[in-house]
Amino acid sequence: QVQLVQSGAEVKRPGASVKVSCKASGYTFTDYYIHWVRQAPGQGLEWMGIINPSGGGTSHTQKFQGRVTLTRDTSTNTVYMELTSLRSEDTAVYYCTRADAVPSSRAEYFQHWGQGTLVTVSS
Amino acid sequence: DIQMTQSPSSLSASVGDSVTITCRAGQSIPYNLNWYQQKPGKAPKLLIYAVSSLQSGVPSRFSGSGSGTDFTLTISSLQPEDFATYYCQQTYNIPWTFGQGTKVEIK
Repeated sequence: QVQLVQSGAEVKRPGASVKVSCKASGYTFTDYYIHWVRQAPGQGLEWMGIINPSGGGTSHTQKFQGRVTLTRDTSTNTVYMELTSLRSEDTAVYYCTRADAVPSSRAEYFQHWGQGTLVTVSS
Repeated sequence: DIQMTQSPSSLSASVGDSVTITCRAGQSIPYNLNWYQQKPGKAPKLLIYAVSSLQSGVPSRFSGSGSGTDFTLTISSLQPEDFATYYCQQTYNIPWTFGQGTKVEIK
């Protein structure tokens, strides 16, 4: 079955960087885009970015311009999200999720999610 | 970015009630509208995709409808396990934005 398994919780100081991993299994890694979504404590869901595991192409929301890097390793079926210059507002649970689509349409959705990784930014 | 506005932000209801949550998009998003349920400490769970398609394994008391910019999620007979937060999401344009969420609480 499809599984996305994320790395464990992290505690970082302001100004530091964090790299969260998401290991995929149960399907052909390069066939599906992976997205990253975060959720601050008590808040809603915020889309961060997308990576194409096949070619490595990425896109992310302007809010994270210059601070977020999405990468993948096709030898281990793992995608990574690195966020730099951390601030307290980056304290959140970070999720990776796979984009599925209705065949022959543009209707896409998130059926499979990682378990989430809590990143705490605190001095 | 396409703004998604859900209403209400929260509601109280009893087991057996019918509940409707609305979601309005800042522009037309034809059929690219999904609904998720989230319980505390858990990842979101897909309920409805492409406006009205029920995800496999989701009870038939959940239904979605709408078109263009206005969409609804209806729970026909609320069950104890349905008390959670619900989010709509558009996947028409990147960034794939979410509504702010609707918390369904026990009356």
